[in-house]
Amino acid sequence: DVKVTQSSRYLVKRTGEKVFLECVQDMDHENMFWYRQDPGLGLRLIYFSYDVKMKEKGDIPEGYSVSREKKERFSLILESASTNQTSMYLCASSLSYFGGTDTQYFGPGTRLTVL
Amino acid sequence: DAKTTQPNSMESNEEEPVHLPCNHSTISGTDYIHWYRQLPSQGPEYVIHGLTSNVNNRMASLAIAEDRKSSTLILHRATLRDAAVYYCILRDQTSGTYKYIFGTGTRLKVLA
Repeated sequence: DVKVTQSSRYLVKRTGEKVFLECVQDMDHENMFWYRQDPGLGLRLIYFSYDVKMKEKGDIPEGYSVSREKKERFSLILESASTNQTSMYLCASSLSYFGGTDTQYFGPGTRLTVL
Repeated sequence: DAKTTQPNSMESNEEEPVHLPCNHSTISGTDYIHWYRQLPSQGPEYVIHGLTSNVNNRMASLAIAEDRKSSTLILHRATLRDAAVYYCILRDQTSGTYKYIFGTGTRLKVLA
């Protein structure tokens, strides 16, 4: 079975802290994604990566950075957490660059609260 | 990016068919139509996708209008476990973008 795991289901941090969210996939997928999900706004893409050490900005990259040193692992970094980054964070991976039929596999999500 | 429009919520009785509509009037010829669903406290999961023809799999059926400006996800016999938010997404075959545009989806409530 395809599996995407995220390091924490729930996380509470203080304003100004540096926050690391980790995502690991065991399917040898090329592509990995970070989304945030907020009520009434749906899922919004923060960053994605199509290869090791490669990254592209999504729709809302401000305040975030990412790291992909190994194929199976994609990290989302909040350099200085703020209260407006309180959200559900979802990681996903997919096999193929070929966009039309590509299927994304999602992790269970990390609910981050910034106080 | 082409957009989709879905009703905010729908209700169905258990063991009855459910038809979840999606409008995508700005769809281009190369856009695939994808459906995902998100069960409570979980990440989204793939349901089905299609381009022009109707599609069936073990989870659902996808009916695509002839002009492709709308589609319908069909759950043949809704169960309580089908209560979820269902997202209709367009995915461009040739754009070179990785992006799925998730809207706010349709929240399906299944009544026992």
